[in-house]
Amino acid sequence: EDQVTQSPEALRLQEGESSSLNCSYTVSGLRGLFWYRQDPGKGPEFLFTLYSAGEEKEKERLKATLTKKESFLHITAPKPEDSATYLCAVQGGFNQAGTALIFGKGTTLSVSS
Amino acid sequence: NAGVTQTPKFQVLKTGQSMTLQCAQDMNHNSMYWYRQDPGMGLRLIYYSASEGTTDKGEVPNGYNVSRLNKREFSLRLESAAPSQTSVYFCASSEWGPQETQYFGPGTRLLVL
Repeated sequence: EDQVTQSPEALRLQEGESSSLNCSYTVSGLRGLFWYRQDPGKGPEFLFTLYSAGEEKEKERLKATLTKKESFLHITAPKPEDSATYLCAVQGGFNQAGTALIFGKGTTLSVSS
Repeated sequence: NAGVTQTPKFQVLKTGQSMTLQCAQDMNHNSMYWYRQDPGMGLRLIYYSASEGTTDKGEVPNGYNVSRLNKREFSLRLESAAPSQTSVYFCASSEWGPQETQYFGPGTRLLVL
């Protein structure tokens, strides 16, 4: 069964304190791994798509990396505006729902000044 | 571009009442999706439409029906609402299939009493 596990569930950082969020996945034939940011009361906002192991993508203070078993979202020198819930999702070759994205439960990041 | 829009933003229903959640996208995307998000759980797919004229069940379709009205619009109907359907509902769209990036709407918060 396809699964996505995100850790930690919650992370508190001081402004400028770099850290990483983890997304471990089990999927039969990865076709894509997606990172989203979700602010309270809002819909998920797309950040990155990774397709193959070794791939990396960057956007401002965020950098996403991918291996055959997990993905990391590295946050460098975070600011309070980076506070949000970060969601990871995978799309495999085939799963119970056909071709659905399988989402993790998210990591809630709080950055204090 | 407005992206993905959803109406209503918030709704309160009594058990047994029916309602339709509306979704529209202006990105000329072919595929559209309905998800629900519950506390402590990841986003779960209810139904999706790979292209105009087609719909398929996702992970949690029981109690729901959908209509792909045209390329832009995809509605979700609750025929007889139950308290277990209290949730936040998100519509999403992608250019062609779930391996493409999905873009989400702002959500509809539904409370069933």
